[in-house]
Amino acid sequence: DAGITQSPRYKITETGRQVTLMCHQTWSHSYMFWYRQDLGHGLRLIYYSAAADITDKGEVPDGYVVSRSKTENFPLTLESATRSQTSVYFCASSDGTSGGHEQYFGPGTRLTVT
Amino acid sequence: KNQVEQSPQSLIILEGKNCTLQCNYTVSPFSNLRWYKQDTGRGPVSLTIMTFSENTKSNGRYTATLDADTKQSSLHITASQLSDSASYICVVSAYSRGISGGYNKLIFGAGTRLAVHP
Repeated sequence: DAGITQSPRYKITETGRQVTLMCHQTWSHSYMFWYRQDLGHGLRLIYYSAAADITDKGEVPDGYVVSRSKTENFPLTLESATRSQTSVYFCASSDGTSGGHEQYFGPGTRLTVT
Repeated sequence: KNQVEQSPQSLIILEGKNCTLQCNYTVSPFSNLRWYKQDTGRGPVSLTIMTFSENTKSNGRYTATLDADTKQSSLHITASQLSDSASYICVVSAYSRGISGGYNKLIFGAGTRLAVHP
């Protein structure tokens, strides 16, 4: 039972490069989310998806692109990485968003933009 | 503006002692309040979820309380263990509208970093 996985776990890239972070879940959850976690801040929502081919912006979407062609995958692309995008990125999934539905988080990807 | 504030930022206690972490929130419309535990280098893991009508919820040695009138919550850890060393994050869920319909978005506090020493 793999659950929710992220790859790569660590990534160093240069300013201006495109980089894609992968997220895969094996539960067939309808909802998937991308968050970033920065020191001194709580997790902030970048994008979320309610189902395949349905995505919507979160709190901090600028500079990011997402897609969801399959229920189990939700890649996050930084089209032209900037130093301000250095962060730890967490993917999460859930079967719904009401109180009875847990969000399950992946292990995170630590991204450094030089 | 929806906000979740936690105190203290960090805390050191001795193994076996109890501690209480605090959370204040200004979130509307409120849906539910969650406490997560995040070990270093790992994703957050849910400890408790409380709705508006619940004022206490336990999960083993963890007990969360909620006062919806004062918009405060606390997480009490009893008989702490070394494995309790982690960040504890208060998360409030608020109903929001997106292009795909309504959903309950999570608003995260910055967390309290707890270190349990032998």
